[in-house]
Amino acid sequence: NAGVTQTPKFRVLKTGQSMTLLCAQDMNHEYMYWYRQDPGMGLRLIHYSVGEGTTAKGEVPDGYNVSRLKKQNFLLGLESAAPSQTSVYFCASARLAGVSDTQYFGPGTRLTVL
Amino acid sequence: KQEVTQIPAALSVPEGENLVLNCSFTDSAIYNLQWFRQDPGKGLTSLLLIQSSQREQTSGRLNASLDKSSGRSTLYIAASQPGDSATYLCAVYNAGGTSYGKLTFGQGTILTVHP
Repeated sequence: NAGVTQTPKFRVLKTGQSMTLLCAQDMNHEYMYWYRQDPGMGLRLIHYSVGEGTTAKGEVPDGYNVSRLKKQNFLLGLESAAPSQTSVYFCASARLAGVSDTQYFGPGTRLTVL
Repeated sequence: KQEVTQIPAALSVPEGENLVLNCSFTDSAIYNLQWFRQDPGKGLTSLLLIQSSQREQTSGRLNASLDKSSGRSTLYIAASQPGDSATYLCAVYNAGGTSYGKLTFGQGTILTVHP
């Protein structure tokens, strides 16, 4: 049981390049989330999904797109990377949104945009 | 919009001290409140989860309390050790409004326990 995994762990892009971050979970969770973490800003929600085939915007969605074609995978895309997108990206999943539910986090992807 | 604030931003204590980390939130419509630990360059590890109807949870040397009506939580660490050094994040799982089904995080408290 691997939990939540993220690919890749590190990436360096040039301004204007595109890339896709992959998040996979093997816990059959319905909810999945993408966050970014920046110094002094805490974790901020980019996009999330409440089930296969659904996506919704979070707090800071601009410049990112997502897809949830399979229940176990949640992809985050950057179509034209900008230096402001340099950050650590975390994926998380949760069974549901309820009193006893928690989110399980992946190890993160460190992205640098030059 | 839910807002979560953690005080202090950083804390440095000698080994063996008991310490308290504080968290406050603005909207009481929550499913639960969670405390996470994050080591440098690593992901988040859940420490304690307090359901909205509960007052406290304990795990080993950690005790977390929740006062939902006043929008406050505290994390108490007893007999601190150098291995407790990390960033501690408070997060609420929102049950209503535009934040439904989302976690809102505080900015964290950076704890250093020196020998």
